[in-house]
Amino acid sequence: SAVISQKPSRDICQRGTSLTIQCQVDSQVTMMFWYRQQPGQSLTLIATANQGSEATYESGFVIDKFPISRPNLTFSTLTVSNMSPEDSSIYLCSVEEFRDGYTFGSGTRLTVV
Amino acid sequence: AQSVAQPEDQVNVAEGNPLTVKCTYSVSGNPYLFWYVQYPNRGLQFLLKYITGDNLVKGSYGFEAEFNKSQTSFHLKKPSALVSDSALYFCAVRPKDSGAGSYQLTFGKGTKLSVIP
Repeated sequence: SAVISQKPSRDICQRGTSLTIQCQVDSQVTMMFWYRQQPGQSLTLIATANQGSEATYESGFVIDKFPISRPNLTFSTLTVSNMSPEDSSIYLCSVEEFRDGYTFGSGTRLTVV
Repeated sequence: AQSVAQPEDQVNVAEGNPLTVKCTYSVSGNPYLFWYVQYPNRGLQFLLKYITGDNLVKGSYGFEAEFNKSQTSFHLKKPSALVSDSALYFCAVRPKDSGAGSYQLTFGKGTKLSVIP
């Protein structure tokens, strides 16, 4: 199965700033997904990122707040912009590897102060 | 739209006893079903999946799950629980048929499993 390197693993950020999270996959994948896991909650899909096209955002998430890049088939970034304490969550990237189930990065634990 | 229900926020079981973590789902058409485990400060680890075929699916670490179409359930089971099984367990579903949004997973809220020594 694919191996995903996600970084940073954690960060503490000041409100009003932005953080960019990176996911590097060791193989080419068509679809990458970005999830948010708020404290004590389940995973909520933020957006689906395909290479060469605009990311598709789920209801409640907008590109201005969570811009995504997908420059090639092995890499993607998610930026959390103009952060507030409500953005404190774990952010995870995932790839579709159907035969082996979806694979997830180790997550980025973000705390906004 | 698809949905997953995990009716128990927490399950407590004594070490060595069998465990069950419940999951029911709602999806248009046939489902693909998954179980994931999350240890503290870690990402999600894949346990097992149901795609087609045998309703009893065996996965990692001795876990298994039974797909029941009539009850729309996919309960996670293990014959003998270990203290190291204590973690947060998530059930997830996606529709089998292609279509808009069909590749995304929808997760349940999670069940915290505590195995008591």
